[in-house]
Amino acid sequence: GENVEQHPSTLSVQEGDSAVIKCTYSDSASNYFPWYKQELGKRPQLIIDIRSNVGEKKDQRIAVTLNKTAKHFSLHITETQPEDSAVYFCAASAGGFKTIFGAGTRLFVKA
Amino acid sequence: DAGITQSPRHKVTETGTPVTLRCHQTENHRYMYWYRQDPGHGLRLIHYSYGVKDTDKGEVSDGYSVSRSKTEDFLLTLESATSSQTSVYFCAISETRASGNEQFFGPGTRLTVL
Repeated sequence: GENVEQHPSTLSVQEGDSAVIKCTYSDSASNYFPWYKQELGKRPQLIIDIRSNVGEKKDQRIAVTLNKTAKHFSLHITETQPEDSAVYFCAASAGGFKTIFGAGTRLFVKA
Repeated sequence: DAGITQSPRHKVTETGTPVTLRCHQTENHRYMYWYRQDPGHGLRLIHYSYGVKDTDKGEVSDGYSVSRSKTEDFLLTLESATSSQTSVYFCAISETRASGNEQFFGPGTRLTVL
């Protein structure tokens, strides 16, 4: 069935450094790729998304890139801050309403 | 946060007992979902609904059933709870839009089965 793999499972960076989280998907029909952030004890919330007709999207310190040929997409966070510490989930959706989530990346930003 | 509530927020129960979790939305979104979240597994889809009385199975549906008699309510039932169903359960809603199918999550229910 459809699958989304996410790496790394844990990422520790120094404040001010960049963080990169990578995902691969299996369903070539996937055309919508959201990223969710979940702070400790909270619900997941959308932080950025990208559609398959776009290769890159940026929103302030976060950006997402998509390589449809390789079925890869990545989240980039620049100038990390302690409040970026959270679990991040990538996901892929094949045009319908079902979304497959990656297993999550726990990001630690050390002050 | 979108208008999604879950009840109860916490529950402790014993193996073999039935449990029902409720998700309530005020957004009039068509699609509703139940996920479970476990360490190392991310969010796994249990069941989803694409309209009143229209439901289908997700990837981890064994031992769970759902019902949706009204647009705003989606119930998840564990007919006979087992320890393996100890988890955090999230409800989510979405609406089909040209820009994508963003899902909005409820606050979660922490279920412990002893």
